[in-house]
Amino acid sequence: GQQVMQIPQYQHVQEGEDFTTYCNSSTTLSNIQWYKQRPGGHPVFLIQLVKSGEVKKQKRLTFQFGEAKKNSSLHITATQTTDVGTYFCAGPRSNTGKLIFGQGTTLQVKP
Amino acid sequence: EPEVTQTPSHQVTQMGQEVILRCVPISNHLYFYWYRQILGQKVEFLVSFYNNEISEKSEIFDDQFSVERPDGSNFTLKIRSTKLEDSAMYFCASSRFKGPSYEQYFGPGTRLTVT
Repeated sequence: GQQVMQIPQYQHVQEGEDFTTYCNSSTTLSNIQWYKQRPGGHPVFLIQLVKSGEVKKQKRLTFQFGEAKKNSSLHITATQTTDVGTYFCAGPRSNTGKLIFGQGTTLQVKP
Repeated sequence: EPEVTQTPSHQVTQMGQEVILRCVPISNHLYFYWYRQILGQKVEFLVSFYNNEISEKSEIFDDQFSVERPDGSNFTLKIRSTKLEDSAMYFCASSRFKGPSYEQYFGPGTRLTVT
């Protein structure tokens, strides 16, 4: 079945350093969604990418969707302690809205 | 801003007991989902629900699981006879539109502990 893989599993950075997480799907995706889960919290939708090669920015966050629509990345510039949490990519599996989540990348930021 | 709500926040039950987890989706949303997350692991899809019937379910969602929308606001997940491995965080989610291109709003979750 379809798999969504994310690396790295954990990342510890000093505040102010950059951070990147990578997401790969075993199949071509119609779109990819990114969610953030704070410690003890629930997934919160960040963004959706639809077009091949699409790049979207949200302040210090840059999201990319690969040309083949099988991979994606999230890059955070100059991390802050508020960026702490687990970042999940998720790809739709069918037309029913079912999302297949990656394993997530947990970001720790040292002040 | 409208939110998905879930009750209870934490449920402790003995193995073999039935539990019902409750969710109130966002009021104008039509598509509902249950996901679970075992501690430290990824979020896993359980079931999607639309128009009073299941749209899709995963292999995790076996005969011990059922979902219901008993009235215009609540959406429930029932586990008939809980097992130790059912211990997890259960998230309800809803979306306004159907299909893979619409964001899902997640509730705060119910932590289920089976002893």
